Amino acid sequence: SQTIHQWPATLVQPVGSPLSLECTVEGTSNPNLYWYRQAAGRGLQLLFYSVGIGQISSEVPQNLSASRPQDRQFILSSKKLLLSDSGFYLCAWSVDHNSPLHFGNGTRLTVT
Amino acid sequence: EDQVTQSPEALRLQEGESSSLNCSYTVSGLRGLFWYRQDPGKGPEFLFTLYSAGEEKEKERLKATLTKKESFLHITAPKPEDSATYLCAVRRGDTDKLIFGTGTRLQVFP
Repeated sequence: SQTIHQWPATLVQPVGSPLSLECTVEGTSNPNLYWYRQAAGRGLQLLFYSVGIGQISSEVPQNLSASRPQDRQFILSSKKLLLSDSGFYLCAWSVDHNSPLHFGNGTRLTVT
Repeated sequence: EDQVTQSPEALRLQEGESSSLNCSYTVSGLRGLFWYRQDPGKGPEFLFTLYSAGEEKEKERLKATLTKKESFLHITAPKPEDSATYLCAVRRGDTDKLIFGTGTRLQVFP
């Protein structure tokens, strides 16, 4: 069966520090991969998605970036965090463009 | 503009008191409507996919239905363990992205 791992579960970082969140999927190959952010009282906002290694689509202009160095690895990064980057970050995967997304358990990021 | 609106924002039920959650949507070329359950501090858990008007899906005490403008999640005789936030999402015909509503927070009291 397929599983998705996200880490860390929680993170507190000062403003201006770098960020690296990692997500890996097991039990499937060539999945579609997604990064979402969830803010209190708002719906999940799609940040990035990838249909293959090295293929990244950005949905929202911001100081975050994403990379997919391996088939089942998706990384969310920032060079300098802003207070507004605080939130709950969720990684997800799907088999193809018709299938539901399956989410990891998220990373709670607090920028201080 | 694509939009997903869920109501009510919050719902309190007594155990055994059946009710329905609503998801209204506006999207170009619907290619799937998805229901998720999210527990506090966790990622959303997939429940159902509906693809066409008139379709219904069931799982234990939950039943999801779809029309051309909205979907309902019916909860029959809920139990306290059904307490969670329920999210609705739609996929537009020309994209892989899911557009989410803000959810309904359900609390079921014994």
